[in-house]
Amino acid sequence: QKEVEQNSGPLSVPEGAIASLNCTYSDRGSQSFFWYRQYSGKSPELIMSIYSNGDKEDGRFTAQLNKASQYVSLLIRDSQPSDSATYLCAVNIPLTTGANSKLTFGKGITLSVRP
Amino acid sequence: DTGVSQDPRHKITKRGQNVTFRCDPISEHNRLYWYRQTLGQGPEFLTYFQNEAQLEKSRLLSDRFSAERPKGSFSTLEIQRTEQGDSAMYLCASSYIMNTEAFFGQGTRLTVV
Repeated sequence: QKEVEQNSGPLSVPEGAIASLNCTYSDRGSQSFFWYRQYSGKSPELIMSIYSNGDKEDGRFTAQLNKASQYVSLLIRDSQPSDSATYLCAVNIPLTTGANSKLTFGKGITLSVRP
Repeated sequence: DTGVSQDPRHKITKRGQNVTFRCDPISEHNRLYWYRQTLGQGPEFLTYFQNEAQLEKSRLLSDRFSAERPKGSFSTLEIQRTEQGDSAMYLCASSYIMNTEAFFGQGTRLTVV
């Protein structure tokens, strides 16, 4: 099992719809979770961070975390064509050596918002 | 601009040559990460530093790769005897402490011909 999995995609939604992006992770000891947006040819840009169970909202973005199910998701409301990008889920996976962790990424989900 | 800075932005090199990339993290950040990304994949972890100490190195990283962070400030990533398979985007990120948000530089795109 991969440490961070993003299996769905690519995803295409019409403008104004809600886009739902999902991610699962393998290590129950993980403490922090992030969503990055990456436009083609550019570097990843942090858009959301979440540390505790439940929902966290920031503008049109909502991150959801369920540690019991080892599941984190990102909802994008009122999707816009400018939201078309690859969305990367990242999780701090604890290391077996000492009290450190490694920021580990999924392969990403490509979102296309149709005008 | 006080974000993460990487240099150069692009590098074309012949197979067998050595290359070195530089990363300047956000000034108060003590964690620095190096990742490699190829088309259609997420960033692949290479190594990270906490201050000047290299705490973890990917098992996938061959002996041709080495990274340093002298004095806990900027970092360099060197690839010796480059191969065509080394062609990728090399990304640097920094964060304040463990488990906090990490921010990326613009990346260095390496092409080995």
